[in-house]
Amino acid sequence: EAGVTQFPSHSVIEKGQTVTLRCDPISGHDNLYWYRRVMGKEIKFLLHFVKESKQDESGMPNNRFLAERTGGTYSTLKVQPAELEDSGVYFCASSPYRAGTEAFFGQGTRLTVV
Amino acid sequence: EDKVVQSPLSLVVHEGDTVTLNCSYEVTNFRSLLWYKQEKKAPTFLFMLTSSGIEKKSGRLSSILDKKELSSILNITATQTGDSAIYLCAVEEGYGGATNKLIFGTGTLLAVQP
Repeated sequence: EAGVTQFPSHSVIEKGQTVTLRCDPISGHDNLYWYRRVMGKEIKFLLHFVKESKQDESGMPNNRFLAERTGGTYSTLKVQPAELEDSGVYFCASSPYRAGTEAFFGQGTRLTVV
Repeated sequence: EDKVVQSPLSLVVHEGDTVTLNCSYEVTNFRSLLWYKQEKKAPTFLFMLTSSGIEKKSGRLSSILDKKELSSILNITATQTGDSAIYLCAVEEGYGGATNKLIFGTGTLLAVQP
């Protein structure tokens, strides 16, 4: 069974540009999460989808971040325009919609804004 | 504000040593506590703890939750170089349903020397 897949693994962009990160969850997992780790800090929650619906987006830092999950399968996280402080590792995780199950994480996308 | 604190921040031991990693939390709507191991990229699941005082074991690793003290420990016996990694503690919080919004600690970096 394939795990959570994220693309790209690494992205370097200039300040002001747009970047789109993609996450393919484990097949059948209705829950999909985005997290971010900024250098030196802990991994922090950004938002949560249940199928195609945003369940909780309380962690999204500002309106430059837009997440979508069309059709309830893969998800994208777009940053537009990117700022220096957006640099970090963006993790995606998925889990079944069933209590007592752990979240499975992707390998992350390292975003560097220069 | 909800928080998870891990100690120590880093640890260097020799193969064969036993280590104990600590995690304490202040989370309003606690549901479970999870331990993950992060070697290179994706955090991989180790344990999920929901009940106080019940030890979970997997090989040389074990973990226990103390809800009275709002803490958990992760023990690794007879450490091997392959145990070198960042160990992440996360608390699942939420009101209900089958979701996994996680609040992470900063992690403990364990280095096992031959």
